[in-house]
Amino acid sequence: EAGVVQSPRYKIIEKKQPVAFWCNPISGHNTLYWYLQNLGQGPELLIRYENEEAVDDSQLPKDRFSAERLKGVDSTLKIQPAELGDSAVYLCASSRGTGWSKNIQYFGAGTRLSVL
Amino acid sequence: AQTVTQSQPEMSVQEAETVTLSCTYDTSESNYYLFWYKQPPSRQMILVIRQEAYKQQNATENRFSVNFQKAAKSFSLKISDSQLGDTAMYFCAFYTGTASKLTFGTGTRLQVTL
Repeated sequence: EAGVVQSPRYKIIEKKQPVAFWCNPISGHNTLYWYLQNLGQGPELLIRYENEEAVDDSQLPKDRFSAERLKGVDSTLKIQPAELGDSAVYLCASSRGTGWSKNIQYFGAGTRLSVL
Repeated sequence: AQTVTQSQPEMSVQEAETVTLSCTYDTSESNYYLFWYKQPPSRQMILVIRQEAYKQQNATENRFSVNFQKAAKSFSLKISDSQLGDTAMYFCAFYTGTASKLTFGTGTRLQVTL
């Protein structure tokens, strides 16, 4: 079974430029998460999708960040415009659901963003 | 709000020895899950072990076991017979059905040496 796939692995951009990250979850996983991991910290949730619906986006900075999960499978996270403080690792995870027997989250390898 | 605290930023252990990583958490929930994830330099978070709060028996997975003390809100990870491949960041994480998200600690960097 293929794991969570993210691309690109690395991205270097100049500030004020747009950037997008892509995530393909494990087949059959209804729940998809985007996490932000700053250097030396644990990941923090940005947004959670149940199928194609964003059910928790309370931590997503909506002035510059947006996300979509068309058809309830792949997801894209976008930043426009990027700021220096956005330099971090962006992790995608998926799970079968959020119930007690389905809540194991499987992570992708992340995208390391550097904003210059 | 839930918080997870890992008080050991770095630890070192010799190959074949045993090491224990500490984690404490704070919550008002009665039903939750606790996790240990491993993050090697490749950055991919890998699930090491999971504990359900309503289960008194400590979870074990091969060389990995936990000491879950619910009253003390403590959840430590013991790695036995440490291997070089265990070198990684280890994150303790907390999950409730209410929030449906993982809350992570700041991690412990484990170095396994020869």
